[in-house]
Amino acid sequence: EVQLLDSGGGLVQPGGSLRLSCAASGFTFNTYLMTWVRQAPGKGLEWVSALSGSGGGPIYADSVKGRFTISRDNSKNTVYLQMNSLRAEDSAVYYCAAYCGVDCYLRTDAFDIWGQGTMVTVSS
Amino acid sequence: DIQMTQSPSSLSASVGDRLSITCRASQSISIYLNWYRQQPGKAPKLLIYAASSLQSGVPSRFSGSGSGTDFTLTISSLQPEDSATYYCQQSYTTSFTFGGGTKVEIK
Repeated sequence: EVQLLDSGGGLVQPGGSLRLSCAASGFTFNTYLMTWVRQAPGKGLEWVSALSGSGGGPIYADSVKGRFTISRDNSKNTVYLQMNSLRAEDSAVYYCAAYCGVDCYLRTDAFDIWGQGTMVTVSS
Repeated sequence: DIQMTQSPSSLSASVGDRLSITCRASQSISIYLNWYRQQPGKAPKLLIYAASSLQSGVPSRFSGSGSGTDFTLTISSLQPEDSATYYCQQSYTTSFTFGGGTKVEIK
């Protein structure tokens, strides 16, 4: 079964850190660009970060640049999001999503596979 | 950055109705436009990619059209499970911008 399992969310104080994980199964992990997309309560979707299948060329939304770091371990089929210097406005459900781009077998240039989401709350 | 604008922001329709949602890009994005459905409390699901290609397993009542800056998602016969929020998203640039969403309510 094709699946992404997000984990690692929780309650953290402003200025704190959190590490999210996303475990993939059922597809060829290293052919997908892995991304994080977030959704603040009652709001729309916001792309956060992406990383190529080889782990090169991470990219970030301006809102998280310099504070968040994306990484992946292809031997474990897992992608991570290290979040530092957290702010109240980072509170959201964070979704891991697999983007089927140039290296993907049935290229869609879209977020084909989504995790169930993990909630991050930044509050004192 | 490319901005994506959806209209309407919400609508109400009956089971069996045909409805359309519009998405406009602030600059040309060719056909790099995708549509997602997000049911309440769930993760988004890809419906349409490359403006008009139906994702595998998605019912044929969903269709997409458009190119350049103007795009449309059409549901030919609304079903109860289509009560959801719909998002467009551009893949022309790696800012991967989403539209603000269209909430569809079943009367």
